[in-house]
Parts: sequence; C-alpha cells; structure tokens
Amino acid sequence: NAGVTQTPKFQVLKTGQSMTLQCAQDMNHNSMYWYRQDPGMGLRLIYYSASEGTTDKGEVPNGYNVSRLNKREFSLRLESAAPSQTSVYFCASSEVRYLLYGYTFGSGTRLTVV
Amino acid sequence: EDKVVQSPLSLVVHEGDTVTLNCSYEVTNFRSLLWYKQEKKAPTFLFMLTSSGIEKKSGRLSSILDKKELFSILNITATQTGDSAIYLCAVSRLGTGNQFYFGTGTSLTVIP
Repeated sequence: NAGVTQTPKFQVLKTGQSMTLQCAQDMNHNSMYWYRQDPGMGLRLIYYSASEGTTDKGEVPNGYNVSRLNKREFSLRLESAAPSQTSVYFCASSEVRYLLYGYTFGSGTRLTVV
Repeated sequence: EDKVVQSPLSLVVHEGDTVTLNCSYEVTNFRSLLWYKQEKKAPTFLFMLTSSGIEKKSGRLSSILDKKELFSILNITATQTGDSAIYLCAVSRLGTGNQFYFGTGTSLTVIP
C-alpha cells in the first residue's frame, strides 16, 4: 500500500534553475494538494486540485505552477528557483466525500536553492 | 484573516508525565479540526473533530473541541519517548475544497 509517493526526496538547485516535483497517489482520491513547510511557519498551501481537471491557488502560489496530469498524479513546477523557495514540500491527497481521515501525506521533498 | 495558533511552541517533559497541547483558531465557516503527529517525515493523522464536547480517544491520546471558545486540546497521558514529535493542528472551512489551515505546531520532547 504505497499511499502518496513523492519524488525526489532531496534536491539542490541553483538560483534560476527549474524543476518539477512529482506526486502520485494510489488511493483513488479526488483531491490533491501541495504544501510547503518552513520553520516557524507551519504548513502553507501552495496549490490544490479539488478534482481531476481543476487546479486552484492556495496561500502562497507565487513562483509555482501545477499540473493535474490525471486522477493519480499532481506535479509542482518551479520555473526559476529562488533561495526563498528553500523548504520541505509535501504532497497530500484526500477524498472530500469521506472527511473522517483528513489528508494522507507523502514523505516530503527537501529542496535547497543556493 | 484565518488563523490557527498552537501553544506552547515547544515542550520538554519526562517519561510518564501528562501533557496538554493547545490549538485556538479564528476561521470563518468552521468545518473541522484535525490533529497530526509529525516525526521525521510526513504528518500522520491522529484525530478529526467536528462537534463540541465529544472526546476522541486513541490509547493514551485524547482530544476535545470547544466550538464556542474556538479551541481544541490534545492530551497525552503517561508519555513515552516515542511520543516525541511535532504535533500539528489544522482547521478546515466549509466550501473550500477540503483545504486545511495549519498551525505552526508544538514540538514535544519526552526524555527518559
């Protein structure tokens, strides 16, 4: 039972480089989310996808783009990385109809931008 | 502006102690409050609370919600070193596609 799988687990980028964080879930959930976690700031929502074919901005979308490729996959792209995007990124999924269990999180991607 | 505030920010206790973690919130159209435990990696789900005054319990952990005073507490009795983690509180609003707003967390360290 894989749950939510994120790749890569670690990444170092130079300022201005681009990269895509991948996320896939095998629980047939409709909704998927990207959060970033910074010390003293908690988890902040970047983008979410309530269902396949839809995406919406969260609290901190600037500098990011997302793609809901299909029901399973939701990717996060940094077009031109900046040091302020150094963070731990979590992908999560949930089934809105069954609100008993909240999110299932992936294991995170630790991104450093130098 | 929606706000979720957890206290204390950090806590160090000895094994066997009882701890109470607090989460207060200011969220319009409140739907639910969740508690998560985060060790080294991803947060794992503990409780979801939607109704006031109904205690949720799982082993040594319990939680309760007060929707009038807008807070929740998470109690851990007879703490063990394995309880050392960051405990996150998150709140969702109606009509927001199941978005959750997280507090900054309480870091709990249990020493033998």
